[in-house]
Amino acid sequence: GAGVSQSPSNKVTEKGKDVELRCDPISGHTALYWYRQRLGQGLEFLIYFQGNSAPDKSGLPSDRFSAERTGESVSTLTIQRTQQEDSAVYLCASSLGFRIPKETQYFGPGTRLLVL
Amino acid sequence: SQELEQSPQSLIVQEGKNLTINCTSSKTLYGLYWYKQKYGEGLIFLMMLQKGGEEKSHEKITAKLDEKKQQSSLHITASQPSHAGIYLCGADIELNSNSGYALNFGKGTSLLVTP
Repeated sequence: GAGVSQSPSNKVTEKGKDVELRCDPISGHTALYWYRQRLGQGLEFLIYFQGNSAPDKSGLPSDRFSAERTGESVSTLTIQRTQQEDSAVYLCASSLGFRIPKETQYFGPGTRLLVL
Repeated sequence: SQELEQSPQSLIVQEGKNLTINCTSSKTLYGLYWYKQKYGEGLIFLMMLQKGGEEKSHEKITAKLDEKKQQSSLHITASQPSHAGIYLCGADIELNSNSGYALNFGKGTSLLVTP
């Protein structure tokens, strides 16, 4: 596709359940990022994948959060035992990944997660 | 860590009016990005600024980075309802591993343009 896609668009779950969010980056983009946007807050960096290197997980808020990426394509973000404070918009972005700053990240439409 | 403060938090302007949104950093900016966010559409990249004093324009939107590279402004001329949305400024943050960079964002400025 032309842009970053994410699924599902919306997800409502019960507290304590696990959820899995998916991101399809732009073809050819080796770098992939997950961000979280809670109501009234700015975007928070969660995790970064670059090619086949080990991901940078420094932004993950707890060990209930994990993410995987298959090669340089699809990524899934998994939240285990969801809590109400996990309710947020989860945004995925990708970039060409030249490992330099000042490189544009392109964002998907996000997944809106609501934990009841 | 780098803090990005945006002002105002929200703005309501009448169609046809000009407006300015500001983004101030606690540290020197080496890459400053402006994005627009609309519901259901994610973040749309607007412009990137790198050099002190740099100015870029696209259609009716102009962004500037000051000489000290700690403040950026986004100016919209003759606003239209299509300009409505949340405007976010972002700056590169260096990650510890993989020599990579992510973005640190301000909380955004919500713009509403009334007829």
